[in-house]
Amino acid sequence: KAGVTQTPRYLIKTRGQQVTLSCSPISGHRSVSWYQQTPGQGLQFLFEYFSETQRNKGNFPGQFSGRQFSNSRSEMNVSTLELGDSALYLCASSLEGAGEQFFGPGTRLTVL
Amino acid sequence: AQSVTQLDSHVSVSEGTPVLLRCNYSSSYSPSLFWYVQHPNKGLQLLLKYTSAATLVKGINGFEAEFKKSETSFHLTKPSAHMSDAAEYFCVVSKSGGGADGLTFGKGTHLIIQP
Repeated sequence: KAGVTQTPRYLIKTRGQQVTLSCSPISGHRSVSWYQQTPGQGLQFLFEYFSETQRNKGNFPGQFSGRQFSNSRSEMNVSTLELGDSALYLCASSLEGAGEQFFGPGTRLTVL
Repeated sequence: AQSVTQLDSHVSVSEGTPVLLRCNYSSSYSPSLFWYVQHPNKGLQLLLKYTSAATLVKGINGFEAEFKKSETSFHLTKPSAHMSDAAEYFCVVSKSGGGADGLTFGKGTHLIIQP
């Protein structure tokens, strides 16, 4: 069974631009979660989608948003990039949201 | 509320010697606890999990951890370190068996293996 895939793996953007990251969960998994990882703040939960609905949300400002499609694939969008948004963005999937989460390799976003 | 404290930001051991990565937790619930490993430029991989069954939990690659409620600890150990164990390790506490809404990550411990 294929693992969680994230595209692109690396991305360079400039401040003020917007960006969309994609995550394809393990086949059959309905929950997709997004995390931001930075050296200073560590790993922080962004939000979780389940059956195309945002079910949980972390403490991030409104320029971070996401969506989930009927095939459970998910996208994360940052509307107006700031330098501090440079991070590794990790996606994880699980069957129902509870239990073990399986992580993708991440997208390394650099904002210049 | 819940929190995780990984007591060492860096741990250095020689290949073939034991590994100990320390983790203390705080939780208002009966917690589920996890250890994840992250190799450079890779996502997180689950090493092991505790979900209120046996207090000594065995994981992959020879790692194990012991849940000690009285000490609110969940330390990760391995009898003999291998060069491939060099990575970042995260202790994680969950209020919902690992569900996305309840995961709180520690800051991580960087494990260095000396040849």
